[in-house]
Amino acid sequence: GAGVSQSPRYKVAKRGQDVALRCDPISGHVSLFWYQQALGQGPEFLTYFQNEAQLDKSGLPSDRFFAERPEGSVSTLKIQRTQQEDSAVYLCASSFPTGGYEQYFGPGTRLTVT
Amino acid sequence: AQTVTQSQPEMSVQEAETVTLSCTYDTSENNYYLFWYKQPPSRQMILVIRQEAYKQQNATENRFSVNFQKAAKSFSLKISDSQLGDTAMYFCASTGGGADGLTFGKGTHLIIQP
Repeated sequence: GAGVSQSPRYKVAKRGQDVALRCDPISGHVSLFWYQQALGQGPEFLTYFQNEAQLDKSGLPSDRFFAERPEGSVSTLKIQRTQQEDSAVYLCASSFPTGGYEQYFGPGTRLTVT
Repeated sequence: AQTVTQSQPEMSVQEAETVTLSCTYDTSENNYYLFWYKQPPSRQMILVIRQEAYKQQNATENRFSVNFQKAAKSFSLKISDSQLGDTAMYFCASTGGGADGLTFGKGTHLIIQP
């Protein structure tokens, strides 16, 4: 595909359930970012991968959040024991690590925790 | 650390008018990159325009241009001949590049009236 894809687009989870959100970056993009966007706010950085290496996870809000990119392509963001405050849109973006540093975003996954 | 401030939560203009969205930022980086992203109601974040801080010339992309004032740390977006399809949330963002995630402002909701 030409762009970043994410699945599922919508996820409803009961409090306490685990969820897994998937991101397929643009082919050949080395860098991959996850962001959390609360309603009416700008996205906030969660974590960054360069290939399979997670180089920055300083934005992950708690140890319930875990991200991986085992083969340097597809990435999964996992949230364990979901809480209501986890309700947000989760955005994935990919880019080359050089040049203009512009990031290309996927459509996001809207997570609602009930 | 970087901060981005957008002081206009919402703006409304008539179709074909020119509108300017404001953004100020703060950064400790010597070199950095600035972006404007558009997020229509469908939620996919789209890159509008980017500016490298080391370039003095203001970036232009068709109807979109920026006024980059480095000393004032100001990065405004001008949209000329506004169109109904320009209605969206607009986010200003900055990054130091490489492994740095984007730091976003809170956004400006732009409404183009017919």
